[in-house]
Amino acid sequence: AQSVAQPEDQVNVAEGNPLTVKCTYSVSGNPYLFWYVQYPNRGLQFLLKYITGDNLVKGSYGFEAEFNKSQTSFHLKKPSALVSDSALYFCAVRDASDYKLSFGAGTTVTVRA
Amino acid sequence: GAVVSQHPSWVICKSGTSVKIECRSLDFQATTMFWYRQFPKQSLMLMATSNEGSKATYEQGVEKDKFLINHASLTLSTLTVTSAHPEDSSFYICSAMDRAAGELFFGEGSRLTVL
Repeated sequence: AQSVAQPEDQVNVAEGNPLTVKCTYSVSGNPYLFWYVQYPNRGLQFLLKYITGDNLVKGSYGFEAEFNKSQTSFHLKKPSALVSDSALYFCAVRDASDYKLSFGAGTTVTVRA
Repeated sequence: GAVVSQHPSWVICKSGTSVKIECRSLDFQATTMFWYRQFPKQSLMLMATSNEGSKATYEQGVEKDKFLINHASLTLSTLTVTSAHPEDSSFYICSAMDRAAGELFFGEGSRLTVL
């Protein structure tokens, strides 16, 4: 079985401040980890993924995430948030052997001007 | 990058009617597609795995006679909500697997409102 936990329903930050969205995961095999962003009434946009290699992954729109195997975490970060980053963010995991994704509950990010 | 198209984006129907939602992979072949359902401000819940040329695999608790899935070609999967009722109102999202790229790509979603 695989699962994802996003402990924060909401994250509020001021524009220009660092943004962190937390994610922890559980998977039986090697994890493939993903972050997606969703704007209202839209599908999911891919931000970044970790498959293997460097623990620090850089993705779209200035986002990055760090894979921490010992803490089973994959937190999403952005050094300087923009108002346009306000959206719903999903962390997802799948086992390396299966394409079926499990999603976290989502975290609503609000960046105030 | 690869594109997955869903149609329609929005649909409003009367209770008791059936609604078909299409999911197309535009520039790659997808032997496997996934259908998700999302309630407002909630996560995506996997409904079923659609396999080209064979029966879909439904997740526990999803009524297969209610949500008919057909994957008749390598680029098209359809989800038909039969005898729709207001509680079926939701946002339905598909994803398609590009095995060559090793990636999953998501459609833009379809908002169903049953009156």
